Amino acid sequence: DQQVKQNSPSLSVQEGRISILNCDYTNSMFDYFLWYKKYPAEGPTFLISISSIKDKNEDGRFTVFLNKSAKHLSLHIVPSQPGDSAVYFCAETFNDYKLSFGAGTTVTVRA
Amino acid sequence: NAGVMQNPRHLVRRRGQEARLRCSPMKGHSHVYWYRQLPEEGLKFMVYLQKENIIDESGMPKERFSAEFPKEGPSILRIQQVVRGDSAAYFCASSQLAGTDEQFFGPGTRLTVL
Repeated sequence: DQQVKQNSPSLSVQEGRISILNCDYTNSMFDYFLWYKKYPAEGPTFLISISSIKDKNEDGRFTVFLNKSAKHLSLHIVPSQPGDSAVYFCAETFNDYKLSFGAGTTVTVRA
Repeated sequence: NAGVMQNPRHLVRRRGQEARLRCSPMKGHSHVYWYRQLPEEGLKFMVYLQKENIIDESGMPKERFSAEFPKEGPSILRIQQVVRGDSAAYFCASSQLAGTDEQFFGPGTRLTVL
């Protein structure tokens, strides 16, 4: 049973435009949400996170939005840059260390 | 300042053989986590270890899989009598503290079972 779902396996966006990645979850017990970025042949690297008590967190070009009533999480990247081309995973945790990952969305930023 | 190291990066085994995957955490990190990524899926938690202790192995298959993190040396994920369904990418992560402390991931070991 997949508790975290990323329904879009891929996303193509033009350089300079906004990238919006979406994630849905089923477990209301999750209390911490994270986004990871992964390049080929490398492990995931932490990007940004948000606590369940908040609805928005911003860090430079990256903003994460949390809609608890809809059990929906999104990551906005603006403006998108070629180096943003990677696989993005949303992840959640409710016991502080056991991360539950979505299947990932492959982002391609076109020049 | 090396990150999390995993070896081998690629491992090919025939059905019935044993696979040993190694993970050296970042310097100063005493918490190690193993995750498995099956094709077309996200990473799935397997086990959480501290030095010489298994803290949570709720994600580990009950048979054939074991993990250790000895006082000296790397953490080892061991898969006995591998089957084709074990083919996956296995990622190790480490953290300095437990809890919400950031987990740093290694590059993974891709296991292929023929």
